[in-house]
Amino acid sequence: GIQVEQSPPDLILQEGANSTLRCNFSDSVNNLQWFHQNPWGQLINLFYIPSGTKQNGRLSATTVATERYSLLYISSSQTTDSGVYFCAWDDYKLSFGAGTTVTVRA
Amino acid sequence: EAGVAQSPRYKIIEKRQSVAFWCNPISGHATLYWYQQILGQGPKLLIQFQNNGVVDDSQLPKDRFSAERLKGVDSTLKIQPAKLEDSAVYLCASSLDGQDGGYTFGSGTRLTVV
Repeated sequence: GIQVEQSPPDLILQEGANSTLRCNFSDSVNNLQWFHQNPWGQLINLFYIPSGTKQNGRLSATTVATERYSLLYISSSQTTDSGVYFCAWDDYKLSFGAGTTVTVRA
Repeated sequence: EAGVAQSPRYKIIEKRQSVAFWCNPISGHATLYWYQQILGQGPKLLIQFQNNGVVDDSQLPKDRFSAERLKGVDSTLKIQPAKLEDSAVYLCASSLDGQDGGYTFGSGTRLTVV
């Protein structure tokens, strides 16, 4: 199957800072998703983004399918952004990366 | 719209005991998934159902894990006998058509095997 690699593994931010999370794939993928797992364990779908760029409030994502990577941008980070961010290859079932743990400090 | 319901929320058992988890997906969602999430890792698919049929159970340890979705609605996942390495969060998810971002996850069951 396709391998999903996320970087960095951990990120500590001061409130208000911007950051970029990266997801690399070992092969071309048709469908890619980003999820946020909050500190209570709830997984929430952020973006379905097979290609191009999408924005939702302070979050945006870009996927360059031909180069097998996707980026998640967090702008003006807030403490509520803390948690683990996963990208996942979607082939009618999700194959997750190991995640990036984000800690936003007040 | 009600979310994906899971129970129990937490479970502590001794090794070699059995345990069962329950999941009720979003009404009308044909596809149901069970994922295992070990601490510090991403969720790993255990089994995928389409209605009441199994689509993918290639990563289910069938010597000790079993799952069913008899009427194509709710589902149970069982472990018998449990091992220490089964300690994890078990997440249930459902989707309408299995793609295009339409996945909803439950809150999970945190299993501790001692």
